[in-house]
Amino acid sequence: DAMVIQNPRYQVTQFGKPVTLSCSQTLNHNVMYWYQQKSSQAPKLLFHYYDKDFNNEADTPDNFQSRRPNTSFCFLDIRSPGLGDAAMYLCATSRDSPAQPQHFGDGTRLSIL
Amino acid sequence: QQQVKQSPQSLIVQKGGIPIINCAYENTAFDYFPWYQQFPGKGPALLIAIRPDVSEKKEGRFTISFNKSAKQFSLHIMDSQPGDSATYFCAASKYNDYKLSFGAGTTVTVRA
Repeated sequence: DAMVIQNPRYQVTQFGKPVTLSCSQTLNHNVMYWYQQKSSQAPKLLFHYYDKDFNNEADTPDNFQSRRPNTSFCFLDIRSPGLGDAAMYLCATSRDSPAQPQHFGDGTRLSIL
Repeated sequence: QQQVKQSPQSLIVQKGGIPIINCAYENTAFDYFPWYQQFPGKGPALLIAIRPDVSEKKEGRFTISFNKSAKQFSLHIMDSQPGDSATYFCAASKYNDYKLSFGAGTTVTVRA
């Protein structure tokens, strides 16, 4: 089945220690998204790629970076995680036209010690 | 500010009841209105979606009603089951945009 896969499902890191989360997709979608979701809240968009074009949300902290080496893979790098960055991180994809369904992975739960 | 307002925050129904979740928006550029279902520890899954040229859409036990003039839309879960217990998010997207604006979410509990 075509899908969006996130690894790892659970990640523990230390305060200030860089961490990378990964996402892969078999849907061959051009658009990929990274969301942060905290408990009992809606997903909050961090950034998205249209193909290789990177689009950062205005309120995404500089601490968050992303890489998309090819269509199938996308990475979220958190350079110096703080306690407030503990959350579920969701990757999603959509087709390359506006107003389309987004397909989500099951997320990576990030804990900060 | 939240572009899509969702209510209630939570609701509890008995099995077989009809939970109703309401959403409202202001931006008339919104052209696509999906609903997502999310179980604990899982990502949101697309449940059903509607565009403003129709007033109602049904998929199985899930129905979206859409009122373009009032800028409101709602989700009805017919004959609800305990397995429908989840958090539901409404969302909206502009005709020329890739991004989704999410409502705050509604936690639905269906008691057996």
